[in-house]
Amino acid sequence: GDSVTQMEGPVTLSEEAFLTINCTYTATGYPSLFWYVQYPGEGLQLLLKATKADDKGSNKGFEATYRKETTSFHLEKGSVQVSDSAVYFCAREGAGSYQLTFGKGTKLSVIP
Amino acid sequence: ETGVTQTPRHLVMGMTNKKSLKCEQHLGHNAMYWYKQSAKKPLELMFVYSLEERVENNSVPSRFSPECPNSSHLFLHLHTLQPEDSALYLCASSPSVVGANYGYTFGSGTRLTVV
Repeated sequence: GDSVTQMEGPVTLSEEAFLTINCTYTATGYPSLFWYVQYPGEGLQLLLKATKADDKGSNKGFEATYRKETTSFHLEKGSVQVSDSAVYFCAREGAGSYQLTFGKGTKLSVIP
Repeated sequence: ETGVTQTPRHLVMGMTNKKSLKCEQHLGHNAMYWYKQSAKKPLELMFVYSLEERVENNSVPSRFSPECPNSSHLFLHLHTLQPEDSALYLCASSPSVVGANYGYTFGSGTRLTVV
């Protein structure tokens, strides 16, 4: 079935460090791919998305490129800030269905 | 303002109580969802509604009872819950259940504690 695998957390970085959170998905069909972010005490917010191979989603300095050949959608940011501390979820559109399948989430803590 | 509002934000209830969670969206979306988020577990899809009709029920115990009176409102009625039901309950909406490429809009959730 559909699945999304993302790197285990927590991830702790110093401010201005480079961030990569890995995400891979099962190669069923050509799903749209998403990154959601959950700040403490809040629900999930859509961070960025890509709908086809080689698309790059970007928002707030974050980027992720849809890599069909490696079935990956890694999240990157060149210089993280304390305010980026949150839990990040990778998700894929379900194959032949309406559902989103989420990864387990990666907690990011950025320290000054 | 996320467009999806959930109330209450926090709820503590005993195992014999009956309570309801409310979700409201004013985005004109036709699909609404209930998710359960427990510590160290993936998001669990509980129920899916499309135009007030339930289209999915993912083997959720009957102590959870959803209701969707119209496309803007979704409820989750709770009765005789167990302590392991303590979690963050998230409501989400999307333009349609046909194709998820628009993504979902989530509410801030209700933090439920069962004592």
